[in-house]
Amino acid sequence: KQEVTQIPAALSVPEGENLVLNCSFTDSAIYNLQWFRQDPGKGLTSLLLIQSSQREQTSGRLNASLDKSSGRSTLYIAASQPGDSATYLCAGTNFGNEKLTFGTGTRLTIIP
Amino acid sequence: GAVVSQHPSRVICKSGTSVKIECRSLDFQATTMFWYRQFPKQSLMLMATSNEGSKATYEQGVEKDKFLINHASLTLSTLTVTSAHPEDSSFYICSARPHIYTEAFFGQGTRLTVV
Repeated sequence: KQEVTQIPAALSVPEGENLVLNCSFTDSAIYNLQWFRQDPGKGLTSLLLIQSSQREQTSGRLNASLDKSSGRSTLYIAASQPGDSATYLCAGTNFGNEKLTFGTGTRLTIIP
Repeated sequence: GAVVSQHPSRVICKSGTSVKIECRSLDFQATTMFWYRQFPKQSLMLMATSNEGSKATYEQGVEKDKFLINHASLTLSTLTVTSAHPEDSSFYICSARPHIYTEAFFGQGTRLTVV
């Protein structure tokens, strides 16, 4: 059974810094991995999807990587801004299973 | 990107009544949709998989008679919380994908408060 963990649970950094959020999964049969952000009281916004055949994806100041052999994915945020403050969730899909397995989330606060 | 719309965003109901939440995929068809529940400061818990034209598949521990799911068309799934009680108060979110293994999109969520 796939288990996904995100450490740390909370992170505070000054505005302008680059930062990395971590996501670990137990089953290397993961097919793809998706990163989301969630603002308080809102639904999830998709940030990046990394397919099985890919190792990373980039969108603006965001870069996500996927290393299936080590069971890790990272989300890199460059030049952080207060608007980046949110909870970030990673979720994996295993081959043959449509369900998303969610990580526990990292609550990010960017300090102006 | 694709859009999934969920309605209502907030609802308050009296104990013992039923509440229906709608989830629509606006620009793609979805044979499968997913319903989640989220408790404060926790991650999402999958409740059930909604299958167009057939019965929903419920996760272990989720009461199918309490949480009725109907997926009558390729763009609409509904979750009805029947005989609601205060412990059903929560944040409910739906999700859909255009195709298996593609990007998943989520609705805005519904904050249900049972008084």
